[in-house]
Amino acid sequence: NAGVTQTPKFQVLKTGQSMTLQCAQDMNHEYMSWYRQDPGMGLRLIHYSVGAGITDQGEVPNGYNVSRSTTEDFPLRLLSAAPSQTSVYFCASSYSDYTDTQYFGPGTRLTVL
Amino acid sequence: AQTVTQSQPEMSVQEAETVTLSCTYDTSENNYYLFWYKQPPSRQMILVIRQEAYKQQNATENRFSVNFQKAAKSFSLKISDSQLGDTAMYFCAFMNRRGAGNNRKLIWGLGTSLAVNP
Repeated sequence: NAGVTQTPKFQVLKTGQSMTLQCAQDMNHEYMSWYRQDPGMGLRLIHYSVGAGITDQGEVPNGYNVSRSTTEDFPLRLLSAAPSQTSVYFCASSYSDYTDTQYFGPGTRLTVL
Repeated sequence: AQTVTQSQPEMSVQEAETVTLSCTYDTSENNYYLFWYKQPPSRQMILVIRQEAYKQQNATENRFSVNFQKAAKSFSLKISDSQLGDTAMYFCAFMNRRGAGNNRKLIWGLGTSLAVNP
């Protein structure tokens, strides 16, 4: 049981490049989400999913896309990276949208030059 | 809108001593959850303790306990017998129990950096 895994751990992009941050969980959790963590701003919700095929926007969705084709995977796509997207990204999951405890992945540190 | 405030950006404590981290929150809801998460230098976000607002009894997990004052909207974390491995950033977070989707997101404080000194 690996919990929530994220790849890569570190990534450097140039402005305008695209990439996908991977997130997977093996706990059969329905609810998955992406947060970004910035100094002085705490964690902010980007997108979330309450089950396979269902996604919705959080508080800072601009510049990011998500999809949820399986229960296990919830990738986050940056279509055209900008320096403002330099951050640490966390994926989290919980059993359902109606349970409270979320489990976090180890994070991805992204730098956009 | 709900907010979470941690008024102590940094704290330090000697090994084996006790330290209390403060957290206050603002909400008009009556039914919600409160959490303390720990983020060590490895960056992994680890759940330390959770409290359900409708429960009067303060939650306890080994050396970690909370002082939940619902009327005052205060949720402090006490770490007893501090250990070097407790050195981390500690985040207080709030979640509505009612509603769905975006209304169920975690709302975070800005964190308190705790250093445990030998």
